Amino acid sequence: QSALTQPRSVSGSPGQSVTISCTGTSSDVGAYNYVSWYQQHPGKAPKLMIYDVIKRPSGVPDRFSGSKSGNTASLTISGLQAEDEADYYCCSYAGSYTLVFGGGTKLTVV
Amino acid sequence: QVQLVQSGAEVKKPGASVKVSCKASGYTFTSFSIHWVRQAPGQRLEWMGWINTGNGDTKYSQKFQGRVTITRDTSASTAYMELSSLRSEDTAIFYCARDFGFGSFDPWGQGTLVTVSS
Repeated sequence: QSALTQPRSVSGSPGQSVTISCTGTSSDVGAYNYVSWYQQHPGKAPKLMIYDVIKRPSGVPDRFSGSKSGNTASLTISGLQAEDEADYYCCSYAGSYTLVFGGGTKLTVV
Repeated sequence: QVQLVQSGAEVKKPGASVKVSCKASGYTFTSFSIHWVRQAPGQRLEWMGWINTGNGDTKYSQKFQGRVTITRDTSASTAYMELSSLRSEDTAIFYCARDFGFGSFDPWGQGTLVTVSS
């Protein structure tokens, strides 16, 4: 099972919007609406930000939103804040009760 | 509150096995599956497998199949991940996480650092 493809890094200024893509195949991202996104600050455990492509867990700001088109899922962060600087990972169901993560994207708030 | 607390750091020699525990609290243990995820230093997250804590069914990533065993003790509300035939590339932080919905994870344990070194 190959890792999902994410850009290595993205950047944005405070107040701007950024979008992180997550490209898979017709066997994972394209086949199921079970894509989730995680935020990880250095030295910390990951935190769930988006699940089932578009849903936000309680407590996650509505500045974070998810979407999907074909084999590519996306995480958009609007109104960037300094504390959004972190690594972001996507994850997709890949059939047969298996899951696959993306390679991770480092978000820099400049 | 829902919490997963993992066992402490381990140092192992190549070829040995390691068993990491993940104790759950704040919810009914058998109602949610537990996943295990590996993260080597500076590297991406890798899904290793999961266990249905209700009936004990497991599913493993092909990458770890044959080397990983996930079990649970319902009386102790604890899940375990054992990785055998350790090599230096297995040096990593291992996380447990509760299944939040189909294929998503929340919350996560604090992580357990396993160092493989001769």
